[in-house]
Amino acid sequence: TQLLEQSPQFLSIQEGENLTVYCNSSSVFSSLQWYRQEPGEGPVLLVTVVTGGEVKKLKRLTFQFGDARKDSSLHITAAQTGDTGLYLCAGVRSNQGGKLIFGQGTELSVKP
Amino acid sequence: GAVVSQHPSWVICKSGTSVKIECRSLDFQATTMFWYRQFPKQSLMLMATSNEGSKATYEQGVEKDKFLINHASLTLSTLTVTSAHPEDSSFYICSARRGGANVLTFGAGSRLTVL
Repeated sequence: TQLLEQSPQFLSIQEGENLTVYCNSSSVFSSLQWYRQEPGEGPVLLVTVVTGGEVKKLKRLTFQFGDARKDSSLHITAAQTGDTGLYLCAGVRSNQGGKLIFGQGTELSVKP
Repeated sequence: GAVVSQHPSWVICKSGTSVKIECRSLDFQATTMFWYRQFPKQSLMLMATSNEGSKATYEQGVEKDKFLINHASLTLSTLTVTSAHPEDSSFYICSARRGGANVLTFGAGSRLTVL
C-alpha cells in the first residue's frame, strides 16, 4: 500500500487554467514537502510545511498542510507552460530517522 | 546553498558487471544520505538509508547484497549495483541531510542502463 496517495497522477490543462494536486495519508507527518522534478534531473524542493493548517504561497503556487498533518494540497493559479513537470509530495514521519517518503507524483502538462 | 553531486550522471554497462555511483555533499557534512530509485514516469522509491560509519539500513524488498552502500566519510556515499541486469536499469538518486535538519538536498541523479 502507498503511504502517501497523490492525485491526480496525470493532468493536462491549458495555459491560464487553475489546478489542485492532493496528497493524502492515514499517517501523521512531522513535516511535508513538495518537489518539482524535470526529466533527467533530481527533484527540487519547492516548500516545506510543518504546522497543521499552515498555508504557504510561492508566487502562483499555494501549499496547504491539513490540520491533522495527514494531508496536503498544491494549488497553481493561472498555470503557465513553464509549470510543466513532475510534482512530488513527500513526508517525514516522526521517529523514522528522517526518511522522506514520496507520493506517486503528478505529471503536469500545461499546453499553450 | 547546499550542493550534492552525483557521479556518473549516466552509465551504460554490460549485463553481469558491477557499477559504482558516487554521491558527494560538496559544501556540508552529511551524516545521513538516502538512495532512491526511480523508473520512468514513476515516483522515487527509497532503497536505503546510508549512515556515516555504520551499515546502511535497507528498505523492505531491497537486496543488500545486490545494492552495496558504503558511507565512509561525512561527504561521500557510494552505491554499487553488483552483477547488474537489464531490470536494474533505472534512475538512481541520492539525497543528503545536513546535520539534524529535516531538509534534504538531492543530487541530479544517475541513469543506469544495463545492456
